Amino acid sequence: NSKVIQTPRYLVKGQGQKAKMRCIPEKGHPVVFWYQQNKNNEFKFLINFQNQEVLQQIDMTEKRFSAECPSNSPCSLEIQSSEAGDSALYLCASSFGTGGGNERLFFGHGTKLSVL
Amino acid sequence: AQSVTQPDARVTVSEGASLQLRCKYSYSATPYLFWYVQYPRQGLQLLLKYYSGDPVVQGVNSFEAEFSKSNSSFHLQKASVHWSDSAVYFCALSSSNTNKVVFGTGTRLQVLP
Repeated sequence: NSKVIQTPRYLVKGQGQKAKMRCIPEKGHPVVFWYQQNKNNEFKFLINFQNQEVLQQIDMTEKRFSAECPSNSPCSLEIQSSEAGDSALYLCASSFGTGGGNERLFFGHGTKLSVL
Repeated sequence: AQSVTQPDARVTVSEGASLQLRCKYSYSATPYLFWYVQYPRQGLQLLLKYYSGDPVVQGVNSFEAEFSKSNSSFHLQKASVHWSDSAVYFCALSSSNTNKVVFGTGTRLQVLP
């Protein structure tokens, strides 16, 4: 069973509403990833953190997406103004390493976002 | 650029039959390759990984995969499938000079009783 905890499991929002999801990585894992998995099973890398610092992120020029991993608190991913195209499964994963090389990822169950 | 292609979106086999799920990758250097499985309403779980050595790697639940540099492939195999193997299987790639993992679009496996 996954020890990466994601909440909530399901999130339903209207267009324009804020959507926030959280992730507690597996204990001892310094690196956290966020992926968006759409209905076609395409994975889109969003961002990753090492401890509290951003390692890499996509161009979030729309500024609707923001993420953080504060110390002693769950990591979070927030969509400021949800759009229908944001409907997807948002997966959080953690790792001992930065994801390069042979480090495996440990995934949570995901947050399924539906934007009506 | 790195990419992973899983050419079969769906595969249906009968219980007890053998299985091969195909994965092709594109990367200029030697990749690190993974197979993950996603059961309904669950997160992805690692089946096996390859990063060097013997090109045939063993994983959980009797799955194995064979790396072929010449064919740029990493096909997943199982000698005899069980109905509980029904799930979506993802092939993934990473490398030593990147901080992210690239996934294929998955193959949905249905095992008929």
